Amino acid sequence: DVKVTQSSRYLVKRTGEKVFLECVQDMDHENMFWYRQDPGLGLRLIYFSYDVKMKEKGDIPEGYSVSREKKERFSLILESASTNQTSMYLCASSSDRAYGYTFGSGTRLTVV
Amino acid sequence: QKEVEQNSGPLSVPEGAIASLNCTYSDRGSQSFFWYRQYSGKSPELIMSIYSNGDKEDGRFTAQLNKASQYVSLLIRDSQPSDSATYLCAVNEGGGSYIPTFGRGTSLIVHP
Repeated sequence: DVKVTQSSRYLVKRTGEKVFLECVQDMDHENMFWYRQDPGLGLRLIYFSYDVKMKEKGDIPEGYSVSREKKERFSLILESASTNQTSMYLCASSSDRAYGYTFGSGTRLTVV
Repeated sequence: QKEVEQNSGPLSVPEGAIASLNCTYSDRGSQSFFWYRQYSGKSPELIMSIYSNGDKEDGRFTAQLNKASQYVSLLIRDSQPSDSATYLCAVNEGGGSYIPTFGRGTSLIVHP
């Protein structure tokens, strides 16, 4: 089974901190994605990447950046954490648009 | 703007009944359709994919696709309390897009 691993399940950070959320997949998938999920708002795409060194903005990229130096690893960076970035962050990967996503277990981030 | 609509529910069914979850979409060019199950506090899990008109069965789950009417549905036979979750519909357009549009999900409650 494809495994997508997110480094932290729960994280508490202070306003203004730089935050790194790590995601690693073990099935050589080309496509990787970062979403946030908030009650009533559903899944919102932050950034995605379909190749190493490539990145594309999703629907809500403001305040975030990403890094993909290796195929298996896709990192989400909160440049200066703010309280409105408190959310569940979900990483996902896919081998092809026809096959659906495999999601990681999620990181619940609280910014205080 | 592409839209995927789901009734938020909750849909409440007794144990052993058939649960019917529906999803409509706006993009006529859509080619790939997915159902994800999300337990409370957990990440989404892909449970069904369907690409052509008609029915696709997998155990107690049946996905139904009608492209002419632009809807996709998920039937769960012999519903169990363990099926209680939020079900997300996702739709991919054709033409090389890697990004599905997600509905906001339908909450299903199966009561004993």
